[in-house]
Amino acid sequence: EVQLVETGGGLIQPGGSLRLSCAASGFTVSSNYMSWVRQAPGKGLEWVSVIYSGGSTYYADSVKGRFTISRDNSKNTLYLQMNSLRAEDTAVYYCARDTVVPAALVDYYYMDVWGKGTTVTVSS
Amino acid sequence: DIQMTQSPSSLSASVGDRVTITCRASQSISSYLNWYQQKPGKAPKLLIYAASSLQSGVPSRFSGSGSGTDFTLTISSLQPEDFATYYCQQSYSSPMYTFGQGTKLEIK
Repeated sequence: EVQLVETGGGLIQPGGSLRLSCAASGFTVSSNYMSWVRQAPGKGLEWVSVIYSGGSTYYADSVKGRFTISRDNSKNTLYLQMNSLRAEDTAVYYCARDTVVPAALVDYYYMDVWGKGTTVTVSS
Repeated sequence: DIQMTQSPSSLSASVGDRVTITCRASQSISSYLNWYQQKPGKAPKLLIYAASSLQSGVPSRFSGSGSGTDFTLTISSLQPEDFATYYCQQSYSSPMYTFGQGTKLEIK
């Protein structure tokens, strides 16, 4: 069964650090594009970061320079290292698999497998 | 950045109704548009990708259409399990995805 399970959330003070993990089963993380998406309480979805199968990484402007996405191929696990945390980083964090469908000009991307999420609360 | 605007923000409907949700992009995104359904306390679920392609396992009462800047998600006959929040998402500016603000579909 294809599955993603996030762990590592919790209560952290402003300025602190936290590392989220996303363990995959049923497919290989390193062969796929993998994203983190977050949702603040009562708000909509916000894309946070992606790591491509080739290792390239990209970030939303709101987290650039503070968050780092990575993966451990031996553990088939995706990570999100979050530093200098702020109150506005409080959210449920989801990991998701990005499926890519090649197209003539721009490839199609969509997030077809999601974890259940882990909650990060940044508060003093 | 490409902005995605959904309308309406909320909608009341009855079981059996035909419902349409609209998503508008701030610039042309061709057909690089996905739709997700999210129920309270749950992760989003992919419904439609590439504007009109139905994800495997999704009931055929869901359909998507549109191209350029204007897109619609249609539910042909609402079922009780369809009451949820729906999000559109553009992938044209991949990897910088953006989502719409969501449309909450409630029972009338």
